[in-house]
Amino acid sequence: GAGVSQSPSNKVTEKGKDVELRCDPISGHTALYWYRQRLGQGLEFLIYFQGNSAPDKSGLPSDRFSAERTGESVSTLTIQRTQQEDSAVYLCASSLDALYEQYFGPGTRLTVT
Amino acid sequence: AQSVTQPDIHITVSEGASLELRCNYSYGATPYLFWYVQSPGQGLQLLLKYFSGDTLVQGIKGFEAEFKRSQSSFNLRKPSVHWSDAAEYFCAVGHTSGTYKYIFGTGTRLKVLA
Repeated sequence: GAGVSQSPSNKVTEKGKDVELRCDPISGHTALYWYRQRLGQGLEFLIYFQGNSAPDKSGLPSDRFSAERTGESVSTLTIQRTQQEDSAVYLCASSLDALYEQYFGPGTRLTVT
Repeated sequence: AQSVTQPDIHITVSEGASLELRCNYSYGATPYLFWYVQSPGQGLQLLLKYFSGDTLVQGIKGFEAEFKRSQSSFNLRKPSVHWSDAAEYFCAVGHTSGTYKYIFGTGTRLKVLA
């Protein structure tokens, strides 16, 4: 079946602009995660959705970052007033349920100029 | 606080040599344990996982890992490395301790010499 997809694959934006990143999880996966990976670095947890429960937002670095998920489908990560330090690859992953293996999308490479 | 440690940032091995990547976790109970690989220009892929049962688990691409409760470790091994194994390897731990958490280590970058 189809894997996790993310769009756009690349995004170049000017400092101060807002950006919206999209993630389509695998159908039937109740859990969805967003991570940030800076060049040469590990995965930085941002936010976690599990079914209809309140999301775990403990990894969001500032109030410029927000994410939504409608039911068990698409999720969007929004970064307002982008800064150069926001430049990174943003990865989305989904899993059948909490604690199961995660299936990762190809990521969105964000460059803030 | 719960944590995952991959003590080796970089490892270099010769093709055909054996490999062991270390992963240690800090958590009171038995967690769910995973190893992922991120090849250059590719996404993250699950290599293997441990939930319960046999402490030696087999994964894809000839990798295996052993869960050692006494050492809080889940080291990844391969008896003979191939050049295509050059990649970044991430250990991850999932657990519930009041709230759910899934934590990745900082990764080990593997270089393979021809």
